[in-house]
Amino acid sequence: DGGITQSPKYLFRKEGQNVTLSCEQNLNHDAMYWYRQDPGQGLRLIYYSQIVNDFQKGDIAEGYSVSREKKESFPLTVTSAQKNPTAFYLCATDAGTAFNSPLHFGNGTRLTVT
Amino acid sequence: AQSVAQPEDQVNVAEGNPLTVKCTYSVSGNPYLFWYVQYPNRGLQFLLKYITGDNLVKGSYGFEAEFNKSQTSFHLKKPSALVSDSALYFCAVRDRRNFNKFYFGSGTKLNVKP
Repeated sequence: DGGITQSPKYLFRKEGQNVTLSCEQNLNHDAMYWYRQDPGQGLRLIYYSQIVNDFQKGDIAEGYSVSREKKESFPLTVTSAQKNPTAFYLCATDAGTAFNSPLHFGNGTRLTVT
Repeated sequence: AQSVAQPEDQVNVAEGNPLTVKCTYSVSGNPYLFWYVQYPNRGLQFLLKYITGDNLVKGSYGFEAEFNKSQTSFHLKKPSALVSDSALYFCAVRDRRNFNKFYFGSGTKLNVKP
C-alpha cells in the first residue's frame, strides 16, 4: 500500500560498523522524522527534516546522521559512535498543514548490534 | 514544558467489557492531542485526535477519547473491547512552540482476554 516504506525490516550488525536505514514515502509530505523506540520509554526523536537539504537534530541525535537529498527519502545512518544502537527505529511523515495533523508512521526497522 | 503521562503500563480487560486507557497532559494553551496504536513489530497507527470544542472525540475501530480540560486528561475509551484490540497504545501531544516536536507517553499495553 502507499505510504511510508522502511527497509530492511530486520538488520543485524557487528559492533563498530556503520549501518544505514532506509525510509521512502510517496505521501508527498514535506516533513520527515526518525524516532527511536525502546521498551517502556515511548518514542524519542532523533532527527527531523522539514524540507529537502535541511534537517534538525532531535533529542538524541548523538551517534546518528541523516540526509535529505530528495523529498521522498530520509535515510538514517547509525554510526559506530552510537553507544547503544540496538532498538526499533521508526520513520514518520507529516503533511505539515496544521497543528492537529497527525504523524504517519512506517512499519519500522529492528536493528540488533552485537 | 509540554509533556504527556500514561500512568498505567498495562491494562487488562475481558472481551465485551468497556476499556479505558488513561492519559494526562501538561501544556500551555490549547492542546493538540493524539492517540496511536501499535501492534507487535509494526509502526504506530493514528486512532484519533482532539478537536477544539469537542469533549468526546470519535476515532477509528470504535475508539473514542474523552477530553477533560479541568483534569488535563484525554482518556481513550471503547464501550466493548475485542481480543483484537490487544496492542500498545500511545498518547501524544504536539508542541505549540515547535511545530515539528511531538511528546509521546511511555505507552500502555492493553490485554483483552476472551
